[in-house]
Amino acid sequence: QVQLKETGPGLVQPTQTLSITCTVSGFSLTSYYMQWVRQTPGKGLEWMGFIRSGGSTEYNSEFKSRLSISRDTSKNQVFLKMNSLKTEDTGVYYCAREVQRFSFDYWGQGVMVTVSS
Amino acid sequence: DVVMTQTPVSLSVSLGGQVSISCRSSQSLVHNNGNTYLSWYLQKPGQSPQLLIYKVSNRFSGISDRFSGSGSGTDFTLKISRVEPDDLGVYYCGQGTQYPRTFGGGTKLELK
Repeated sequence: QVQLKETGPGLVQPTQTLSITCTVSGFSLTSYYMQWVRQTPGKGLEWMGFIRSGGSTEYNSEFKSRLSISRDTSKNQVFLKMNSLKTEDTGVYYCAREVQRFSFDYWGQGVMVTVSS
Repeated sequence: DVVMTQTPVSLSVSLGGQVSISCRSSQSLVHNNGNTYLSWYLQKPGQSPQLLIYKVSNRFSGISDRFSGSGSGTDFTLKISRVEPDDLGVYYCGQGTQYPRTFGGGTKLELK
């Protein structure tokens, strides 16, 4: 069955880099767009970006050049990296599968990230 | 960016009752291809969001026909009939027509 699971550090210091891995099973990354969505106390649900089935990416300009999404299809993993973290980046980070445009049919359980010194 | 505004922010309902949630966008959500990419998600307490409705009025697989979506352009509505305990949580609308994709602020559905 389809499963997605995010793993990440939990606590990150301000100005440092966040790295989260989404490990999927039950489907191929080469067949679906994979999304990153976060939920913060300040802004609620925010779409961050995605990686297409072909490997190209699209990002929310809100995150400017801080964000990078990549994948390793051999390991069934999608990666999020965001640098220059601020306290406002504290929140839950989700990966999700897109079955058609803006229809996210499967989500991971989310990983809570706290940005604090 | 397209701003999605949901009203009300919270809603109290009796079991078996009916509710409507409004979602308005700051720009038309009609894509150049003629489709309108407006979706509804429900986030139950302690869970990830789950897809209910896509492209305004299409129920996702396994979603009860008690949920119905309607609207066009910039004005959309989610209706829930015969409310059950499992329907409680926060409902979000969101748009995928323009980049960046954006979500509304959410509507919390509670029991009266």
